[in-house]
Amino acid sequence: QSALTQPPSVSGSPGQSVTISCTGTSSDVGSYNRVSWYQQPPGTAPKLMIYEVTNRPSGVPDRFSGSKSGNTASLTISGLQAEDEADYYCFSYTSSSPFNVFGTGTKVTVL
Amino acid sequence: EVQLVESGGGLVQPGGSLRLSCAASGFTFSSQWMHWVRQAPGKGLVWVSVIKPDGSTTNYADSVKGRFTISRDNAKNTLYLQMNSLRAEDTAVYFCTRAGAPYAFDIWGQGTMVTVSS
Repeated sequence: QSALTQPPSVSGSPGQSVTISCTGTSSDVGSYNRVSWYQQPPGTAPKLMIYEVTNRPSGVPDRFSGSKSGNTASLTISGLQAEDEADYYCFSYTSSSPFNVFGTGTKVTVL
Repeated sequence: EVQLVESGGGLVQPGGSLRLSCAASGFTFSSQWMHWVRQAPGKGLVWVSVIKPDGSTTNYADSVKGRFTISRDNAKNTLYLQMNSLRAEDTAVYFCTRAGAPYAFDIWGQGTMVTVSS
């Protein structure tokens, strides 16, 4: 099972919006609404930001939103803030063993 | 407080073994699917293994299948990862995590470092 494909890096100025893509196949992202997103600042454990493509856990700012089109899921951060600087990973259920796969990760830089 | 705390990491020689533990507290451990995820230094997250709440079903990434064994003791609220025949490429921080949100990991431990080197 190959990792889902994410851009290595994206950047934006404070207040701008950035979007991170997560491209899979018809066996994972394209077939299931089981995509989640995680934020990982350096040296810390990952934090759940989005689950089931669009749902935000309580406590996650509404600046973070998720969507999906075909085999590509996306995470958008609106009104970018300095504290959003971190690595972001997508994750999806897949139809083939081992049924779980992460994305390659994207570093978000706030200029 | 809902919490996961890993332990058992360390330095081990290639071919050696190590058992990681993950102590859970603040939630009903026996009701939750639990996973191990690892991250090599400077690299991305990689899913490793999963175990069903009652321990009856497990699954593994191809890279560790046949070498690693996930297990749990619901009476002790503890998750385990037995790692045998360790290789240099197994060097990573190992996180335990709870699948508490639908198909997503809502609680993570702080991670434990495993270094495989001679």
